[in-house]
Amino acid sequence: KQEVTQIPAALSVPEGENLVLNCSFTDSAIYNLQWFRQDPGKGLTSLLLIQSSQREQTSGRLNASLDKSSGRSTLYIAASQPGDSATYLCAVEVNYGQNFVFGPGTRLSVLP
Amino acid sequence: EAGVTQSPTHLIKTRGQQATLRCSPISGHTSVYWYQQALGLGLQFLLWYDEGEERNRGNFPPRFSGRQFPNYSSELNVNALELEDSALYLCASRGGGRETQYFGPGTRLLVL
Repeated sequence: KQEVTQIPAALSVPEGENLVLNCSFTDSAIYNLQWFRQDPGKGLTSLLLIQSSQREQTSGRLNASLDKSSGRSTLYIAASQPGDSATYLCAVEVNYGQNFVFGPGTRLSVLP
Repeated sequence: EAGVTQSPTHLIKTRGQQATLRCSPISGHTSVYWYQQALGLGLQFLLWYDEGEERNRGNFPPRFSGRQFPNYSSELNVNALELEDSALYLCASRGGGRETQYFGPGTRLLVL
């Protein structure tokens, strides 16, 4: 059974810092991995999707890497801004068309 | 292009009642997924419908059920509501190929 964990559970940083969020999964046989952002009480916003054959994806200040063999992914946020404050969720899709297995999330606060 | 829509946005019920939640997928998407996000429990997979058929269900009791209509919209029904069913219910849809799931804004269910 696939399990996803995220470290740290919460993070508070001053504006402008670069930061790394970590995601681990127990079964390396995945279809893809995706990072989402969730603002309080809201739905999910997709940030980056990494297919199983890829090693990383980049979008603006965000970079996500994937190491299937070690069961790890990292989300790197450069030059953090207060608007980045949200909960970041890592999700693994085991097989095409199947549901996501979500991690518990990292709650990020970027202080002005 | 319109995104995934869900209705109602908020729903208040009492214990023992039934709740019906609705989801309209992105045009052209044939798969619909339902997830529950209860306080402190993270996002849990509920149900997956594709082409009108239930393809998979998560570890939830049978009082959680649903269906998918010919136009691919979907309904989630929760019978005999319990206090712990209070949660944000998220719907996601997916098209073919290697697309990701796109999430709606959610329905917040409160059981009193």
